Amino acid sequence: SQQGEEDPQALSIQEGENATMNCSYKTSINNLQWYRQNSGRGLVHLILIRSNEREKHSGRLRVTLDTSKKSSSLLITASRAADTASYFCATLLDSSYKLIFGSGTRLLVRP
Amino acid sequence: DSGVTQTPKHLITATGQRVTLRCSPRSGDLSVYWYQQSLDQGLQFLIQYYNGEERAKGNILERFSAQQFPDLHSELNLSSLELGDSALYFCASSVGGFAEQYFGPGTRLTVT
Repeated sequence: SQQGEEDPQALSIQEGENATMNCSYKTSINNLQWYRQNSGRGLVHLILIRSNEREKHSGRLRVTLDTSKKSSSLLITASRAADTASYFCATLLDSSYKLIFGSGTRLLVRP
Repeated sequence: DSGVTQTPKHLITATGQRVTLRCSPRSGDLSVYWYQQSLDQGLQFLIQYYNGEERAKGNILERFSAQQFPDLHSELNLSSLELGDSALYFCASSVGGFAEQYFGPGTRLTVT
């Protein structure tokens, strides 16, 4: 079964707006990572947040982690059409090196 | 470009056949991971190797096997192929441990 579940499954916004995607997971983690996948292509690593971190920024990306709620969010500010892609959260457990992916959020940014 | 290379890009084969997918990790990375992505199962972790040794195993079928060679490249062997094995197969690499992973472009396998 999936460790991480993303919400919403799909999101459509206008260019310039912010996009927020949420991820929930079930068990304790070492870190949580966000990846982007353009249609049918390889995944691109976006950001890694460790279990003892609460917030991390990278360019227009902001990730938060709430270990008490077992949830994370990815905020993309000032979105661009080029941000159109699927976004996945993935968790790495303390007990294993397996990266467990969620089901993903499909983001469409309309020009 | 992640620095991870995978060959071939596309593979079309018949049921019952055997195929080998190849992956070269980023320079300096000791860990290689294999994933399967299908419409119904999503992205599934298959197996991890670290410096030639198996480190973690996921939902990998017995018909599938992998290995990592001394030069750190890895191969995923899929045998007795079934229609349901049609999927995108990704290889990823990392320095190891709990680091971020860098994905290759994938091999699209179609079993007819």
